[in-house]
Amino acid sequence: VQLLQSGGGLVQPGGSLRLSCAASGFTFSNFAMSWVRQAPGKGLEWVSAIGGSRDTTYDADSVNGRFTISRDNSKNMLYLQMNSLRAEDTAVYYCAKTSSNWFSEIDYWGQGTLVSVSS
Amino acid sequence: DIQMTQSPSSLSASVGDRVTITCRASQGISNFLAWYQQKPGKVPKLLIFAASSLQSGVPSRFSGSGSGTDFTLTISSLQPEDVATYYCQKYDSAPFTFGPGTIVDI
Repeated sequence: VQLLQSGGGLVQPGGSLRLSCAASGFTFSNFAMSWVRQAPGKGLEWVSAIGGSRDTTYDADSVNGRFTISRDNSKNMLYLQMNSLRAEDTAVYYCAKTSSNWFSEIDYWGQGTLVSVSS
Repeated sequence: DIQMTQSPSSLSASVGDRVTITCRASQGISNFLAWYQQKPGKVPKLLIFAASSLQSGVPSRFSGSGSGTDFTLTISSLQPEDVATYYCQKYDSAPFTFGPGTIVDI
């Protein structure tokens, strides 16, 4: 299993960024996926999740209406579109695979990508 | 939303000690609970799922128990490589909240 992330960087408050996660080594469409973030020096915060068949998504209240999780099962890709970014969104973002088609424990993590929101 | 708490927030123990970390949910979550270990500068690692099932490859000194609202992670004999922050996570329903973490030091 490999989860290769890309798309992080520095963005101004109010800006947008899209994170990508390329999955390999497993049947991507059979597993729910999540995004988890970790602000500098802080704990883990669950952000968004999507079922294996794409028809069910959930978001944390802190990002609801600003972030959108999506997946392309034909390309084995997971995405997080982040709009209206705020300073408090600054964190390392992890792409994460769960152990089943529905939402369950996270058994594999991406390497993480840093998103910095600052003027 | 269900809140997750952990205690203690940090602890220091000696090599060979038995260490217990508690995770509490504000409402019952059956056994839909996982434990993760995160070493400094590293990606989190799954230790326990379904409250008490040991993930493949995880040393048997780690164990989990509990159901409903109260859960524990036990390290039966603390080793130097166990220095890390430990998090619980609920996954019965969204939001899939993590606990605040417990720092384990030697």
